[in-house]
Amino acid sequence: AQTVTQSQPEMSVQEAETVTLSCTYDTSESDYYLFWYKQPPSRQMILVIRQEAYKQQNATENRFSVNFQKAAKSFSLKISDSQLGDAAMYFCAYRSASSKAAGNKLTFGGGTRVLVKP
Amino acid sequence: EAQVTQNPRYLITVTGKKLTVTCSQNMNHEYMSWYRQDPGLGLRQIYYSMNVEVTDKGDVPEGYKVSRKEKRNFPLILESPSPNQTSLYFCASSPYIAQPQHFGDGTRLSIL
Repeated sequence: AQTVTQSQPEMSVQEAETVTLSCTYDTSESDYYLFWYKQPPSRQMILVIRQEAYKQQNATENRFSVNFQKAAKSFSLKISDSQLGDAAMYFCAYRSASSKAAGNKLTFGGGTRVLVKP
Repeated sequence: EAQVTQNPRYLITVTGKKLTVTCSQNMNHEYMSWYRQDPGLGLRQIYYSMNVEVTDKGDVPEGYKVSRKEKRNFPLILESPSPNQTSLYFCASSPYIAQPQHFGDGTRLSIL
């Protein structure tokens, strides 16, 4: 079974600075997807960024970028130029690319709370 | 507007009183899932459905039931709720295996 680990329960960053969130995962599969989700106080689950395992190029979405290290099974998220609206819980998630995967199941890490100081 | 709608958003109830959390999606998605979110554990899949009348257990199915009689609806049933089912619940849907999931806004259940 796949597992996802986020080792930082909480991170603090100054507004306009950069913060990096760590995520490691364990899998025996070669084809899969990785995601970062943001959960603000409103509780919504918002997809921030997605990475396909077969792509070597790291995904980028505006101020959000990832460092995907397939051999090391590491998938960190970098938030640049942090804004007050970035304050939220962030979840790393794994999904198999197999058509037999349990209903498109996402396996989540425990989350990292990001605090942004003005 | 494409959305996944859960009801209720909040519920406080007592042990043993049957309850149902409804989930409905208007995107004609094949796949639907229920997750529960607990501090430090992230979200864990309870049940999932890959089509009408096709459901299966996820990682934490004990104490829950589901049904999928129509494509758009996927209710979560707690026949005899217990305090350890106090949690934040999410319904999610996706069109097929490779597509991102759409999440509902969550249901906060407190069982006393």
